[in-house]
Amino acid sequence: RKEVEQDPGPFNVPEGATVAFNCTYSNSASQSFFWYRQDCRKEPKLLMSVYSSGNEDGRFTAQLNRASQYISLLIRDSKLSDSATYLCVVNEMGGSQGNLIFGKGTKLSVKP
Amino acid sequence: SAVISQKPSRDICQRGTSLTIQCQVDSQVTMMFWYRQQPGQSLTLIATANQGSEATYESGFVIDKFPISRPNLTFSTLTVSNMSPEDSSIYLCSVEVGTQYFGPGTRLLVL
Repeated sequence: RKEVEQDPGPFNVPEGATVAFNCTYSNSASQSFFWYRQDCRKEPKLLMSVYSSGNEDGRFTAQLNRASQYISLLIRDSKLSDSATYLCVVNEMGGSQGNLIFGKGTKLSVKP
Repeated sequence: SAVISQKPSRDICQRGTSLTIQCQVDSQVTMMFWYRQQPGQSLTLIATANQGSEATYESGFVIDKFPISRPNLTFSTLTVSNMSPEDSSIYLCSVEVGTQYFGPGTRLLVL
């Protein structure tokens, strides 16, 4: 069974905190990896792709460990607006986005 | 980027009836995707809709239950047929334009 596993949370953190989410995937042949953000009652939106060498976008850092089949997302200096559900997403076949496998998401709540 | 609209945004339906959801994209795309997100669950791909050919369904989803139309490169419909309360979910269409974009979703409640 193809699976993407995440801690559902919720993670309740104060503004300014650093928080990390982890995700594991079962299919070692998975080709590409993403973090999506889904606000309450909204559609998912791409936050960032995850590259083998790790990548950073402002306060967000994503890392991939293919050997352990593990993906992480680090958020530094949390803002109230970061409150959302973060979806770990794996594409099992190169080129075809229709093979995206979604985790159930990790809920983050940033408090004042 | 892509701008996607869906109709209806939400609906409440009686069991045994059918609902057709429309998805409109602001650009021509080869493939459109239909997903379901049940409460507390991850997004699950229902099918891929290709223009000019039959949709490709994922395991657990069949054409009789979820017929799909794709009359042109900017439009698709998904019908949820003979609905039961278990079909209560959010249905989202999506397209790939560099990255994957999702429509706002259709919230369906079946009584």
